[in-house]
Amino acid sequence: EDQVTQSPEALRLQEGESSSLNCSYTVSGLRGLFWYRQDPGKGPEFLFTLYSAGEEKEKERLKATLTKKESFLHITAPKPEDSATYLCAVRGSGGGADGLTFGKGTHLIIQP
Amino acid sequence: DAEITQSPRHKITETGRQVTLACHQTWNHNNMFWYRQDLGHGLRLIHYSYGVQDTNKGEVSDGYSVSRSNTEDLPLTLESAASSQTSVYFCASSEYGGLWGEQYFGPGTRLTVT
Repeated sequence: EDQVTQSPEALRLQEGESSSLNCSYTVSGLRGLFWYRQDPGKGPEFLFTLYSAGEEKEKERLKATLTKKESFLHITAPKPEDSATYLCAVRGSGGGADGLTFGKGTHLIIQP
Repeated sequence: DAEITQSPRHKITETGRQVTLACHQTWNHNNMFWYRQDLGHGLRLIHYSYGVQDTNKGEVSDGYSVSRSNTEDLPLTLESAASSQTSVYFCASSEYGGLWGEQYFGPGTRLTVT
């Protein structure tokens, strides 16, 4: 059974204070690790897909990295508009249901 | 622009009633998914479809059903609503043969069962 654990559950930063969010996973045959952003009252918005250890993706102030056991979402010099819940998900190649297995998310607050 | 819509956005129903939540996408995606999101659980897969006439059970499918009669729509039916089905429901779609995980989500339906 695929599992995803995200930490911390919540993180409060000052504007400009860089940090990282962690996503630890166990999966049989990783077919992709995904990061989503979710704003209150809205559906998740796709950010990145990572497929193999060592891979990195960047978008504005966000950078996602992947190892064989975890992924990090690095936030550099964040702004208040980066406040959201960040979700990590995996897709494995094991049997059973398709779709994504999600973590519970990290609720990020950036204070001006 | 292509999009995925859900209706209604909010629904209050009584225990035992049948409820159908609509999902419509204009991406022309073959894959469609239904998830529920609850505090403390994150998003969990209910049902999914790879194309017309195809449906599959997900992790938490008991008490739910779906049908796929065309590419654009995947309605979710709660056969006999229970208080445990109070949740926020999200529909998503992705392109067949493409990036499986790059799923596009709808805005969600908040369902309350009283």
